[in-house]
Amino acid sequence: EVQLVQSGPEVKKPGESLKISCKDSGFTFTSYWIAWVRQMPGKGLEWMGIIYPGDSETRYSPPFQGQVTISADKSISTAYLYWSSLKASDNGMYYCVRESASSNWFDLWGQGTRVTVSS
Amino acid sequence: QSALAQPASVSGSPGQSITISCSGSSSDVGAYNYVSWYQQHPGEGPKLIIYDVTKRPSGVSHRFSGSKSGNTASLTISGLQAEDEADYYCSSWTSTSLYVFGTGTQVTVL
Repeated sequence: EVQLVQSGPEVKKPGESLKISCKDSGFTFTSYWIAWVRQMPGKGLEWMGIIYPGDSETRYSPPFQGQVTISADKSISTAYLYWSSLKASDNGMYYCVRESASSNWFDLWGQGTRVTVSS
Repeated sequence: QSALAQPASVSGSPGQSITISCSGSSSDVGAYNYVSWYQQHPGEGPKLIIYDVTKRPSGVSHRFSGSKSGNTASLTISGLQAEDEADYYCSSWTSTSLYVFGTGTQVTVL
């Protein structure tokens, strides 16, 4: 089955670092762009950025530039979202999503990783 | 990049049709036919229901249709059913080679 499998929920303290992961299953990981989408509690979807695992080209939405780091390890078909110093405002659900190979839309969503930042 | 503007809520009775608007600019919605729509039920992840403005993925009900005029895209749900009660988000490719989502619309079936 074609799917994106994300790492489990995280509970962290402000100032801690965190890396969550997104692993592909059933498709050629290096042929697709993989994006990250944030959904804060009770709020809407926010597009954070995107990476092409084939060559690690990465683009960020301006609000997230410098706040997170998106990376990928194509040898294990896994994309990552990294925070060096978490803030309470990073609370939320984070989805990895696959951009369609044929056009500009998202055809496959991970199950989401819930990040809780609390002192 | 500002979020695309959607009405916060839209409601309708079973069997009726409703339309959700998604207003952007000449740098996103108006520039490309790359508007997509996603449905999200409470506690679940989003699901693609419309792509490239008007196209439906396999398995999505024909009751969902999309259109665009200028800088505004629209999603119409015909023959509203209880199962359509969910949040809906539009998304567009932008001239800066990034994506932007809409603010989201909560659909209530009365």
